[in-house]
Amino acid sequence: DAKTTQPTSMDCAEGRAANLPCNHSTISGNEYVYWYRQIHSQGPQYIIHGLKNNETNEMASLIITEDRKSSTLILPHATLRDTAVYYCIRLDVTGTASKLTFGTGTRLQVTL
Amino acid sequence: NAGVMQNPRHLVRRRGQEARLRCSPMKGHSHVYWYRQLPEEGLKFMVYLQKENIIDESGMPKERFSAEFPKEGPSILRIQQVVRGDSAAYFCASSPGFYNEQFFGPGTRLTVL
Repeated sequence: DAKTTQPTSMDCAEGRAANLPCNHSTISGNEYVYWYRQIHSQGPQYIIHGLKNNETNEMASLIITEDRKSSTLILPHATLRDTAVYYCIRLDVTGTASKLTFGTGTRLQVTL
Repeated sequence: NAGVMQNPRHLVRRRGQEARLRCSPMKGHSHVYWYRQLPEEGLKFMVYLQKENIIDESGMPKERFSAEFPKEGPSILRIQQVVRGDSAAYFCASSPGFYNEQFFGPGTRLTVL
């Protein structure tokens, strides 16, 4: 049970922003939200993570709702190379269990 | 700074043979994780190790699979008496500590004939 819900697939035009939603309505106060992506059959790539506040890095922005029940990953200017499966993951930081539980993710297709 | 290295990238074994998969973490990383991805499925956690210690092996099959991360050298995932159902991509990840982002290697694709 991955405990997050994501759309199975999404399309985005190249150059436009890609907004990938994730529902984690049962998230606890000790759980961070992490995003990874897997391009084709390569190893997953870390994108961003957050707890309460919105976060931004060179790859993406993460918007977390105030009640923390959902979040959105934003790729501001999607390119063809952003075509991948995107995984939204909850990670409990109390204790030593830092394994990632991958769900089925969202398959993002960026098109010309 | 080299990333996580895994070798071999492709491994073919016949049923009943042993498979050894190696993972060299990024420099300065003492935490190693192994994940398995069966064809057309998501990644599943197998085991989490620190130097010379297994921290969490809750995802490891009870038989035939073992993992180690010795004081010196790479982490090894060992599969004894492989069966066709072991055919999968095996990914290793490393991190510098708890809850840091994990950096993944390119994976080892195991094919059991």
